[in-house]
Amino acid sequence: QSVLTQPPSASGTPGQRVTISCFGSSSNIGSYPVHWYQQLPGTAPKLLIYSNDQRPSGVPDRFSGSKSGASASLAISGLQSEDEADYYCSAWDDNLNDQVFGGGTKLTVL
Amino acid sequence: EVQLVQSGAEVKKPGESLKISCKVSGYIFSSYWIGWVRQVPGKGLEWMGILYPGNSDTRYSPSFQGQVTISADKSISTAYLQWSSLKASDTAIYYCGRHKGSSKMGYFEYWGQGTLVTVSS
Repeated sequence: QSVLTQPPSASGTPGQRVTISCFGSSSNIGSYPVHWYQQLPGTAPKLLIYSNDQRPSGVPDRFSGSKSGASASLAISGLQSEDEADYYCSAWDDNLNDQVFGGGTKLTVL
Repeated sequence: EVQLVQSGAEVKKPGESLKISCKVSGYIFSSYWIGWVRQVPGKGLEWMGILYPGNSDTRYSPSFQGQVTISADKSISTAYLQWSSLKASDTAIYYCGRHKGSSKMGYFEYWGQGTLVTVSS
């Protein structure tokens, strides 16, 4: 059970906008930047969003991140079939003295 | 182009030792933190620790402190993850990654392809 809580699953149809939430506390998201990773089936994770809302070069602007208080969200607009993957949030946690990941959200494109 | 290429899959018995590697190219190895993440098959990601090759400063997750050793050889731009006595519970995929920034603020910006370690009697 991670200290960062994500919904285990999410879904949408092509073209839709979906959001994935990541709930934490003052000891993690409330105090530190949040990062998001995408893991396509059978592959290594890939950095999707860093420092709450920054996109690495090469990541489409369909992907966006936000943070408010002790929670963060990843939004994917114009959903595409290739977006079907697991998504993980992460942040430092002062209580655990550890970098923690959320449990992951499996996104299905219907 | 930044690349991290990991060593191949390993099958070991409980109690054996193991050292897996991550060879990098495309950037100055000594100038960036490098670290490791564990993923038990079908499960989530776990941050294990990071090392700064420039001065060998190493930060471990409390969950992995004393269980593994992270090291590096600057002369061949390679990072290592090592076990002295494997357990069945070490069975997992291990990813190396270039870590931007310190442990508190940082993130993995580039990843290796992963090394599957299977520990079974």
